[in-house]
Amino acid sequence: ELKVEQNPLFLSMQEGKNYTIYCNYSTTSDRLYWYRQDPGKSLESLFVLLSNGAVKQEGRLMASLDTKARLSTLHITAAVHDLSATYFCAVVRETSGSRLTFGEGTQLTVNP
Amino acid sequence: DAGVIQSPRHEVTEMGQEVTLRCKPISGHDYLFWYRQTMMRGLELLIYFNNNVPIDDSGMPEDRFSAKMPNASFSTLKIQPSEPRDSAVYFCASSFGTSLGDEQFFGPGTRLTVL
Repeated sequence: ELKVEQNPLFLSMQEGKNYTIYCNYSTTSDRLYWYRQDPGKSLESLFVLLSNGAVKQEGRLMASLDTKARLSTLHITAAVHDLSATYFCAVVRETSGSRLTFGEGTQLTVNP
Repeated sequence: DAGVIQSPRHEVTEMGQEVTLRCKPISGHDYLFWYRQTMMRGLELLIYFNNNVPIDDSGMPEDRFSAKMPNASFSTLKIQPSEPRDSAVYFCASSFGTSLGDEQFFGPGTRLTVL
């Protein structure tokens, strides 16, 4: 069974600071996704990582994938309040077609 | 494109009643997914379709749940009879095939409350 674990689950940080959210998964996968969810809202796709060593950046967020370590990171640079949300990583197991398995989510709060 | 459309956005019903949730995927997407989100269990995949055919329904909790996709632009998730423990937010998502990275786009969700 594929397990996806995020760390930390709760993160409170000051504006202007940097931090990293980690996503570990338990079996071989070649596709990893990061989503953002605001309270009471739907999930918004942030990044699609399709190969080992993939790195993508959008604004203050940068995601990377190491398939050998089964690890993805979401790095936040100079956080601002608007980044407050819950961030999910999701993994597709190689043999499961399009079935996404989600992590528990990291609830990020950026304080002024 | 309007994105994935779900209806209703909110549903309050009494235990034992039938509930039908509806989804219209993004035009051209050939995969459709139904998820359930609760505080206790997080996001769970219930079932997904490819070209209107159910591929994996192993996440459907029990026989009270059923899903159909009669055509490429419409799917339903039905709960009969509903129970309080079915209260959750139900999301529908759609995507292209895996050759294009199969990024899933989520609808706004239906918040279901069973009293």
